[in-house]
Amino acid sequence: AQSVTQLGSHVSVSEGALVLLRCNYSSSVPPYLFWYVQYPNQGLQLLLKYTTGATLVKGINGFEAEFKKSETSFHLTKPSAHMSDAAEYFCAVSRPSGGYNKLIFGAGTRLAVHP
Amino acid sequence: DTGVSQNPRHKITKRGQNVTFRCDPISEHNRLYWYRQTLGQGPEFLTYFQNEAQLEKSRLLSDRFSAERPKGSFSTLEIQRTEQGDSAMYLCASRGSGPTGSGEQFFGPGTRLTVL
Repeated sequence: AQSVTQLGSHVSVSEGALVLLRCNYSSSVPPYLFWYVQYPNQGLQLLLKYTTGATLVKGINGFEAEFKKSETSFHLTKPSAHMSDAAEYFCAVSRPSGGYNKLIFGAGTRLAVHP
Repeated sequence: DTGVSQNPRHKITKRGQNVTFRCDPISEHNRLYWYRQTLGQGPEFLTYFQNEAQLEKSRLLSDRFSAERPKGSFSTLEIQRTEQGDSAMYLCASRGSGPTGSGEQFFGPGTRLTVL
C-alpha cells in the first residue's frame, strides 16, 4: 500500500528565507509524485509534479522539488519565501498504472511566513 | 474552461437528515474523483468515475453514501442519515485522459458540510 509522510505539521519562516517542506513516501513501485497548495476555504492547486524524466521538477510560484528514489523523498523548496506563500501544502502520490491514479495525500504542512 | 465547480459551497444540516452535493467537472474530462478532507488532515479518496461508470469505492464510503454520474458529466454525492462524524470538506476533482493525463487532477473549491 502507498503512504505519504510529511514531517512537520507546521513550518514557520521569515520572509525572504528558504522554504523546505519535507515529504517521504512508501510505495512498492515508483509512483507519480505531486505537491498541492491549499489556501483557506479553497480547493487544492497543483504546484508541481514528477512522473518520469528529470528528477528536479520546477513548479509555479518559484517552487521546486527533487525526487530522490534512494531516500524515497520528494521535498519541496523555494529559495525565498513571500508572504503570499502562507498556506497549507500537501504532498501526494499515485500509482502510474492501476489504481485509477487516485491520490494518496499526506497530512499536510501549514506554512507561516512572518515579516 | 471554467474549472471544476461544486455546489453548494457550504451546507449545515441536522443529524439524521439527508444531503446531496453536486460536482461539475471540466467539460472535456471523463474521469471524476470524490475526496473527503477532515480538519487538519489531507484529503482521503472516496470514489472514482470513468465516464458514467463508478469503478472504485473506498471503504470510507459506507452504505449511507452514494455517488452517481448518470450521463458521464456532472456527479452527485448523497449522504443519508447524516452523522456528526460526516462533518468535513468534500472535494471533487476531474482529470482528462490520454498522454497528458499523467495523474494530474484539477480540484473544485469543495463543499463544507457541518452536521449539528
